Amino acid sequence: EPEVTQTPSHQVTQMGQEVILRCVPISNHLYFYWYRQILGQKVEFLVSFYNNEISEKSEIFDDQFSVERPDGSNFTLKIRSTKLEDSAMYFCAARLGEQFFGPGTRLTVL
Amino acid sequence: AQTVTQSQPEMSVQEAETVTLSCTYDTSESDYYLFWYKQPPSRQMILVIRQEAYKQQNATENRFSVNFQKAAKSFSLKISDSQLGDAAMYFCAYRSGATSGTYKYIFGTGTRLKVLA
Repeated sequence: EPEVTQTPSHQVTQMGQEVILRCVPISNHLYFYWYRQILGQKVEFLVSFYNNEISEKSEIFDDQFSVERPDGSNFTLKIRSTKLEDSAMYFCAARLGEQFFGPGTRLTVL
Repeated sequence: AQTVTQSQPEMSVQEAETVTLSCTYDTSESDYYLFWYKQPPSRQMILVIRQEAYKQQNATENRFSVNFQKAAKSFSLKISDSQLGDAAMYFCAYRSGATSGTYKYIFGTGTRLKVLA
């Protein structure tokens, strides 16, 4: 099965700090997604990205979040000023047909 | 808006037995896809099985099969000959068809499956 990779696997940060979560999608995939899963809760859609633009975003994806694909390979999610409630697993997914999920980044905000 | 409901927070099954996980959904769309994902303790999301709404035939993948009841908006997962490695969280998910312009997945709250030796 095609592989989507994410780094880091675990990130610990202080409240108010900026974090960047990285995803390396499958090379020929065109559509990219970020999802969030707060511990013990369901997986929630954050944002979709196509052709270097956001194509859809949820109400969770507010001004503190941003996404970009700076070098044509990595796909990043930036959280400008982290809050305690941002602690969650963040999954990247890439699509060509169906979505393939990465292994996730566990973000812990202290 | 579409919703996905999993009413069983936790299920248990004896090794080698069969278990059925329930999922219901709500939509006004006629073109959509349904999925079951497995999330083991590693937290990786693994696709188990996929069903296209336009197909009447239930999808099967080895020991995994679904009972898709479109009129009832029900999409249950049956795991036959359960193995210890099947222990995980199972999420039901919905995706709209291509004409909707959205490809986001909508997930249920999950069912934790325990497999007893």
